[in-house]
Amino acid sequence: SQQGEEDPQALSIQEGENATMNCSYKTSINNLQWYRQNSGRGLVHLILIRSNEREKHSGRLRVTLDTSKKSSSLLITASRAADTASYFCATDEGSNYKLTFGKGTLLTVNP
Amino acid sequence: SQTIHQWPATLVQPVGSPLSLECTVEGTSNPNLYWYRQAAGRGLQLLFYSVGIGQISSEVPQNLSASRPQDRQFILSSKKLLLSDSGFYLCAWKAGGYSPLHFGNGTRLTVT
Repeated sequence: SQQGEEDPQALSIQEGENATMNCSYKTSINNLQWYRQNSGRGLVHLILIRSNEREKHSGRLRVTLDTSKKSSSLLITASRAADTASYFCATDEGSNYKLTFGKGTLLTVNP
Repeated sequence: SQTIHQWPATLVQPVGSPLSLECTVEGTSNPNLYWYRQAAGRGLQLLFYSVGIGQISSEVPQNLSASRPQDRQFILSSKKLLLSDSGFYLCAWKAGGYSPLHFGNGTRLTVT
């Protein structure tokens, strides 16, 4: 089952602009994670935010988490063409073991 | 440092043939191991996970099986492939607790 659902499904922006992707989920979580996937490759972990955190930063990435709305957002600032990829959120559904992924947002950054 | 190896990178198999995909992890012990499948343009579907040798949890009843014969080896198998088994198969590992997944580079399987 799909726990997380990203929005939008696709996003096209110009280099230098900010990109915001959203994720909604259904059940209680311990943490939420964001991953990036370049075409035809495996996923790479970007950032993990715990359920008791509201915001987290890593370089040009900013993640927010609103557990009352069961939603998260990923902001990429000052985007670059190299940021072109699919971005997925993943939730643990309260489990130590399993991560459930959404369908992802395809981000295209035009030079 | 930890590394994960997954092979082959691409595979074309006829319907009804067997399948064996292998994944190994280096540089860590007792990892949690995972097999995901990704259909074209879709999200990741968790197929199997293992928290220890010989311990396999299946998430989706299907034509596939998994085994963990050694601590850092995870194998995905099928006795007879179906057309619907085509997809991008990803192996991943994580440490215990609330930690991130580390993925291999995936295997592109095409069943013809």
